[in-house]
Amino acid sequence: NAGVMQNPRHLVRRRGQEARLRCSPMKGHSHVYWYRQLPEEGLKFMVYLQKENIIDESGMPKERFSAEFPKEGPSILRIQQVVRGDSAAYFCASSPQGSSGANVLTFGAGSRLTVL
Amino acid sequence: SQQGEEDPQALSIQEGENATMNCSYKTSINNLQWYRQNSGRGLVHLILIRSNEREKHSGRLRVTLDTSKKSSSLLITASRAADTASYFCATDAFGNTGKLIFGQGTTLQVKP
Repeated sequence: NAGVMQNPRHLVRRRGQEARLRCSPMKGHSHVYWYRQLPEEGLKFMVYLQKENIIDESGMPKERFSAEFPKEGPSILRIQQVVRGDSAAYFCASSPQGSSGANVLTFGAGSRLTVL
Repeated sequence: SQQGEEDPQALSIQEGENATMNCSYKTSINNLQWYRQNSGRGLVHLILIRSNEREKHSGRLRVTLDTSKKSSSLLITASRAADTASYFCATDAFGNTGKLIFGQGTTLQVKP
C-alpha cells in the first residue's frame, strides 16, 4: 500500500507557464482533497473531489486554477499562467468512501512549486 | 477568518521534558485533529477528538478539548529528539467533509 502519491515533488516554472500537479490517492480511497501551504503557514483547503465530481471548490481561486479527478487516472491540479504568488507546497490528501463520523486524511508528501 | 490559532509558535525543550501546545478556534466543530509535519514532508495524522469528548490519549500524546472555551491542547510527554517537527491542529466544522481548517502550527525542537 503505497499511500498517497504525488508528483512531481518539485516543479519550477517561469511566470506565465502552466503547472500540473498529480495525485494518486491511497488504495481504496475515493475522496481527494487539495491543500496549499505557503511558507511558514498552515495548510489552506482548496478543493474536495470524488471520482468525476467536484464536491467543494470553495477554497480555489476563481481564475487560473482548476482540478479534476477523472474516472481513470490520478487527480490533477492545474494552474495556468502561474505568478510568483503561486509558489507554495501543494498537498493532496485522500480518505475512504463513506467514512462516517469523522474524516481522517492521509496526506501525500507534497509538490513544491517555485515560480521564477 | 483563521479558525485555528496555535501557541506558542515555537517551542524548544530538552529531551525528556513535556511539550504542551495550544489551539484555539472560532466556530462550532464536529471534531478537532492534530497533525505532525516533519520538515519538507507531508502531514501525518496523530489523534482526533470529537466535540463530545474532553480528553483522549494515544501513547505519549494527550489531547484535551474545551468546547466552551473553543480550545484544545496537545501534550507530548517524555519528549524525544525524534519528536522535533511542526504540529498543527485542524478543525472539522463542516460535518465530516474532510474540509479541515488548519492553524499555523507550533514548531517544536527537542534537544538531545
